[in-house]
Amino acid sequence: RKEVEQDPGPFNVPEGATVAFNCTYSNSASQSFFWYRQDCRKEPKLLMSVYSSGNEDGRFTAQLNRASQYISLLIRDSKLSDSATYLCVVNTGFQKLVFGTGTRLLVSP
Amino acid sequence: DTAVSQTPKYLVTQMGNDKSIKCEQNLGHDTMYWYKQDSKKFLKIMFSYNNKELIINETVPNRFSPKSPDKAHLNLHINSLELGDSAVYFCASSPYVGLAGGNEQFFGPGTRLTVL
Repeated sequence: RKEVEQDPGPFNVPEGATVAFNCTYSNSASQSFFWYRQDCRKEPKLLMSVYSSGNEDGRFTAQLNRASQYISLLIRDSKLSDSATYLCVVNTGFQKLVFGTGTRLLVSP
Repeated sequence: DTAVSQTPKYLVTQMGNDKSIKCEQNLGHDTMYWYKQDSKKFLKIMFSYNNKELIINETVPNRFSPKSPDKAHLNLHINSLELGDSAVYFCASSPYVGLAGGNEQFFGPGTRLTVL
């Protein structure tokens, strides 16, 4: 079983749609959680950290359920510029980040 | 004023050669990392250094040897290159927050290595 599992997609959505990505992790001792974004042929960049209380940044909302070892990302009012691969990332301790394989999002006009 | 830079951006070489990739960060971070992203886009950590000391060493063949001359630089040397080494190699850095912590890592633009 992979340490961090995501649906690879692609998710094809029209502009303005709401889309949700899910992720599960296997290490119950994981310390912190993130969503990174990676554009084609570019480096990953932090989108947002994920907290148990849930957190929002503009059109993006992230949730963490430690009991179920489940992380989610909700994108509202999708823009063309949101097209990218979204990486679920878990810090398992010792500053070691474990990346999921990513979920590809394609937003069309 | 690039935060994390890597050279070269592209590297094409023959099997059996030895090559190095250089990484520098000007963010004042204590911790630096090497990641490998394979053809299936899976990004996996290889090494981590904190202030020139090795703290993470994943199960990487010993043909790969990281070297940190100072905390702003972490280079990756690869001996006897194999076809399976073809991948994109990313360097990253972050502030040090203790072994139990973790926070944002800043990635370099990547080095696309092709072994023929």
